[in-house]
Amino acid sequence: GESVGLHLPTLSVQEGDNSIINCAYSNSASDYFIWYKQESGKGPQFIIDIRSNMDKRQGQRVTVLLNKTVKHLSLQIAATQPGDSAVYFCAERVGTYKYIFGTGTRLKVLA
Amino acid sequence: GAVVSQHPSRVICKSGTSVKIECRSLDFQATTMFWYRQFPKQSLMLMATSNEGSKATYEQGVEKDKFLINHASLTLSTLTVTSAHPEDSSFYICSMGAAYEQYFGPGTRLTVT
Repeated sequence: GESVGLHLPTLSVQEGDNSIINCAYSNSASDYFIWYKQESGKGPQFIIDIRSNMDKRQGQRVTVLLNKTVKHLSLQIAATQPGDSAVYFCAERVGTYKYIFGTGTRLKVLA
Repeated sequence: GAVVSQHPSRVICKSGTSVKIECRSLDFQATTMFWYRQFPKQSLMLMATSNEGSKATYEQGVEKDKFLINHASLTLSTLTVTSAHPEDSSFYICSMGAAYEQYFGPGTRLTVT
């Protein structure tokens, strides 16, 4: 179903530690997923994507894991840096051009 | 990726007036654009899908007569908030893309006093 408005959960991590941000998606037919980073007052920025025929994809310092059995997506950020502080959203493709966003997680990196 | 701009970036208007927000693609042609609304500390909520040359498709609960969308060309879509009220104050973001790509604008902060 559609994402509902909820206050954002917060994940606090020490600088240099790894971060894991989770997302539950709603549509078992979704075939493509994207993780976005949103800094305050800005639009979402693409981080990494994964198609439903994969269960893991790695980028630079980021890894996305997909578990279709439980409709769960995670974003792992290695060696978290202060510049990683932002809100992170997962998005699932539910139509040819249509995406639905998850509730989002605020990541705070502690010095 | 494509560059998407929005204008204005911030706007303050009085209750009852109308505000137009522009979304432009600088280097990408899109037959489909999307408009999202984001309240503080919340996720992006899809408002409508804008199709070039035809009527927009609105999500459930979004008033089409209040949020007028015009997709006049492959590089320009506009959202007009008519008779704005304080509860319309929000961050409005457009996006455009293809099946496996979405490019977002920087957003427009609307404050209705």
